[in-house]
Amino acid sequence: SQQGEEDPQALSIQEGENATMNCSYKTSINNLQWYRQNSGRGLVHLILIRSNEREKHSGRLRVTLDTSKKSSSLLITASRAADTASYFCAPVPISGGYNKLIFGAGTRLAVHP
Amino acid sequence: EAEVAQSPRYKITEKSQAVAFWCDPISGHATLYWYRQILGQGPELLVQFQDESVVDDSQLPKDRFSAERLKGVDSTLKIQPAELGDSAMYLCASSLTSVTGELFFGEGSRLTVL
Repeated sequence: SQQGEEDPQALSIQEGENATMNCSYKTSINNLQWYRQNSGRGLVHLILIRSNEREKHSGRLRVTLDTSKKSSSLLITASRAADTASYFCAPVPISGGYNKLIFGAGTRLAVHP
Repeated sequence: EAEVAQSPRYKITEKSQAVAFWCDPISGHATLYWYRQILGQGPELLVQFQDESVVDDSQLPKDRFSAERLKGVDSTLKIQPAELGDSAMYLCASSLTSVTGELFFGEGSRLTVL
């Protein structure tokens, strides 16, 4: 299967705490992307990490990638109530043709004030 | 900032009626995607276009769903006849390239079939 599988399915934390979400996949990838979706809205691209990268930062986001374990993690530091959303990973496989992004069920994060 | 436009934002219809959704991708984006997202689940890819050509419609229920992108720019997704199980959010996305690029999503069209 091409899709990523996020874990946990749901996460509930207090403001100021860190939130860690994990993604596992099965194919060899070109890159892996993380997206956020606020309730009732479209998905928003957060960060892209290439297969030759091990870690990437963007503001309060830190993404790691372990291609040997076929896994990635998204860490949100010092979480805020506004971070409440669903988070999806999308592994992009190595392919000579057209790639399609397949999403799993996501991790639903709730950050309580 | 360039955005993916979708309409209508909300649509309520009765089963057996026809429904159509429209999407205008970001200018210059050759790849366009339609996803369906049932409440509480992740987005499911229905169809992918490269310019005006369909490159993947393996998950599109072709007995009732159709999609077109005639001039390789905007796109229409149609459902006829609508069924109760079609109630979902229909998301359009576009990307500059289908090879490795990030997707830009519209705000979606929420369909309720009564």
